[in-house]
Amino acid sequence: GAGVSQSPRYKVAKRGQDVALRCDPISGHVSLFWYQQALGQGPEFLTYFQNEAQLDKSGLPSDRFFAERPEGSVSTLKIQRTQQEDSAVYLCASSLVGQRNTEAFFGQGTRLTVV
Amino acid sequence: AQSVTQPDIHITVSEGASLELRCNYSYGATPYLFWYVQSPGQGLQLLLKYFSGDTLVQGIKGFEAEFKRSQSSFNLRKPSVHWSDAAEYFCAVGPGNTGGFKTIFGAGTRLFVKA
Repeated sequence: GAGVSQSPRYKVAKRGQDVALRCDPISGHVSLFWYQQALGQGPEFLTYFQNEAQLDKSGLPSDRFFAERPEGSVSTLKIQRTQQEDSAVYLCASSLVGQRNTEAFFGQGTRLTVV
Repeated sequence: AQSVTQPDIHITVSEGASLELRCNYSYGATPYLFWYVQSPGQGLQLLLKYFSGDTLVQGIKGFEAEFKRSQSSFNLRKPSVHWSDAAEYFCAVGPGNTGGFKTIFGAGTRLFVKA
């Protein structure tokens, strides 16, 4: 596709439910990032992939959060046993190469609401 | 620790008036600096970026920003605001050349444009 695609756009989960959020990066992009954006805040870094390798997961808030990119393209962010504090917009971004000064392109995000 | 501060939570300007959004950062080395814009329900769009060289950078939609190392600032400016500029603006600092892949965002400044 032309841009970064995320699905679903909206997700309502009951507390304790597991969720999976999908990111389709721009074709051929090496780098993939996940961010969490709470209401009224800026995005906060969660994790970074270079191809299929997860090089930085320092931003994942707890062991309930897990991300994977098994074939170096599509990525999934999984949240187990969701809590109300997990409610946020989850943004995915990709960039062409694995250099730090390369522009990242963002998807529209998945808005997760935990009730 | 690395941080980005956007002192103004929201700003209101009249259409046609000039705009300046403030951004201060804390970083141990020469950072990579970015400004992004986010419209409601949309992902982040890159307006401009600074990596090195000329400290006055031009971006899309008529925006520019100036890097001032002595003030640790990277303020965004536009000489004449259009109603379509109403959105949330985020300043961000990248990892520069010191390693890591984490980009840190400010909390954002919401711009309101009045007729």
